[in-house]
Amino acid sequence: ELKVEQNPLFLSMQEGKNYTIYCNYSTTSDRLYWYRQDPGKSLESLFVLLSNGAVKQEGRLMASLDTKARLSTLHITAAVHDLSATYFCAVEIIKAAGNKLTFGGGTRVLVKP
Amino acid sequence: DAGVTQSPTHLIKTRGQQVTLRCSPKSGHDTVSWYQQALGQGPQFIFQYYEEEERQRGNFPDRFSGHQFPNYSSELNVNALLLGDSALYLCASSLIWDPLRETQYFGPGTRLLVL
Repeated sequence: ELKVEQNPLFLSMQEGKNYTIYCNYSTTSDRLYWYRQDPGKSLESLFVLLSNGAVKQEGRLMASLDTKARLSTLHITAAVHDLSATYFCAVEIIKAAGNKLTFGGGTRVLVKP
Repeated sequence: DAGVTQSPTHLIKTRGQQVTLRCSPKSGHDTVSWYQQALGQGPQFIFQYYEEEERQRGNFPDRFSGHQFPNYSSELNVNALLLGDSALYLCASSLIWDPLRETQYFGPGTRLLVL
């Protein structure tokens, strides 16, 4: 059974500093996603990573994927208050029967001035 | 281009009752998946529908059932509600035949509270 683990569970950040969220998964997957969720809201897709060595960047966020280590990281550069949210990674396995996402437990990020 | 829509946005029920949640997929999508997100946790896969059939199912009891209509919209039904069914229910849509290029798009969710 596929297991997805994120750490840390909670991250208190200072504005202007850099931080990394880690996502480990237990079996080979087809795609890895990073989502952002604000309190009481739905999931906002940040990145989709398809292959080993994939790196994607958007603003202060950069995601990378190492399929051999079954590890993805979400790096936050020079944190700002607007990045306060919960971040989820999710692993997708595509089968003939369909595709489903298995989520990590989330990392709650709080950026303090 | 309308994204994924869900109704209702909020719902309050009592234990033992039944509830139906609705989802319309993003235009052009033919597959609908349902997820349950309990407070403080990541979403958990309930099931996925394509061509009006359940194609995959997560570890949820038979009290959770669904349906997909010819226009690709979907319903999630939960019978004999328990307090533990209180959660945010998310619908996601995708395109089954081009899975390597399309991501899953999530709707705004329905927040269910069981008292």
